[in-house]
Amino acid sequence: EVQLVESGGGLVQPGGSLRLSCAASGFTFSSYWMSWVRQAPGKGLEWVANIKQDGSEKYYVDSVKGRFTISRDNAKNSLYLQMNSLRAEDTAVYYCARDRYTASTRGDYYYYYMDVWGKGTTVTVSS
Amino acid sequence: EIVLTQSPGTLSLSPGERATLSCRASQSVSSSYLAWYQQKPGQAPRLLIYGASSRATGIPDRFSGSGSGTDFTLTISRLEPEDFAVYYCQQYGSSPRWTFGQGTKVEIK
Repeated sequence: EVQLVESGGGLVQPGGSLRLSCAASGFTFSSYWMSWVRQAPGKGLEWVANIKQDGSEKYYVDSVKGRFTISRDNAKNSLYLQMNSLRAEDTAVYYCARDRYTASTRGDYYYYYMDVWGKGTTVTVSS
Repeated sequence: EIVLTQSPGTLSLSPGERATLSCRASQSVSSSYLAWYQQKPGQAPRLLIYGASSRATGIPDRFSGSGSGTDFTLTISRLEPEDFAVYYCQQYGSSPRWTFGQGTKVEIK
């Protein structure tokens, strides 16, 4: 069964740090881009960061640049999000998701979507 | 940055009725970059539609997607009790890499 399981969430004070983990199983983790997506309480979805298969490319939403670092360990089938200088507005459920870039039948263009999601881990930033 | 605006914010319908959800982009979006997700309370999002109109594996055929350019639509032909949820459109871009609409809640009337 294809599965993503997040862990590492919790309560942290403003300015503090937290490291989230996402354990992948049931698929060849090293073959896929991976993303972190968050959802603040009662709000919509916000993409946070993603990372290429070999870790050589990483992208972030502007609001977390310089504070968050995405990484992966393909030997451990794991994705990470190191979160530093946390703010109240970082309070959210954090999901890891598998990015898919699949070719059309004729191979003339690519589809882009996220096809597997974990259940999420909750991060609360509060004093 | 491309902004996705979904409408309406809330759709109040009865089981068996047709639901039409809109997603409008601030600039033209490639259809192959547009996806729709369903999210129920306390659950992770689930992929429904990719490439604007292709159903994901296991998604019932009462769900359909259409549109191009800046206007995209998710249609649920006959609402089942399990379809009452929040729906998000999403597009792939350059910066940020992924953008979501703010969501449309489909609630029981």
